[in-house]
Amino acid sequence: DTGVSQDPRHKITKRGQNVTFRCDPISEHNRLYWYRQTLGQGPEFLTYFQNEAQLEKSRLLSDRFSAERPKGSFSTLEIQRTEQGDSAMYLCASSSVVNSGNTIYFGEGSWLTVV
Amino acid sequence: AQSVAQPEDQVNVAEGNPLTVKCTYSVSGNPYLFWYVQYPNRGLQFLLKYITGDNLVKGSYGFEAEFNKSQTSFHLKKPSALVSDSALYFCAVRDILGNEKLTFGTGTRLTIIP
Repeated sequence: DTGVSQDPRHKITKRGQNVTFRCDPISEHNRLYWYRQTLGQGPEFLTYFQNEAQLEKSRLLSDRFSAERPKGSFSTLEIQRTEQGDSAMYLCASSSVVNSGNTIYFGEGSWLTVV
Repeated sequence: AQSVAQPEDQVNVAEGNPLTVKCTYSVSGNPYLFWYVQYPNRGLQFLLKYITGDNLVKGSYGFEAEFNKSQTSFHLKKPSALVSDSALYFCAVRDILGNEKLTFGTGTRLTIIP
């Protein structure tokens, strides 16, 4: 059973460029989450999908951020017009009430550095 | 609103000694509580959870945690620390009747001294 997979693991981009991260959840997990973690802090919730429906978005998710899960499987998180303050690790996670008993499993994260 | 407090940024324990990493929480209703561990430049690994039932929860790598409703605490413990336990530990809470969002503490860096 493979875990949550994230790609790329590291991304360095210039300010103003767009970046996209991909997340493949654990097979048959219908819930998918995006979190952001900055240095010295705990992860902060960004958004959550149940199947293909985006059910909740944090105020942290400005209009430059968009997340999709078009077929209820993998998800993408796009950041447009990146700013230096976007530098962080972006964590994807998945869960299933049936298969994981409300446990949320995290991927290895995607590090973003905006220069 | 839900919140988690991890009052210690850093905990140092000698190898072989028992360890405790503290966590207190606040939720409107009843909590789901979790502990995760993070190694350098890695994602979060699930250690254990409290959903309902027995207040003492056992998890991975010999860790356990005790849910105390009156003190709103969920401290992580291990009887005998290993050097390999050195890592960053996060406590997280979710309101059972609330949304799906996990709220994390700021983390406690555990260092096991050989």
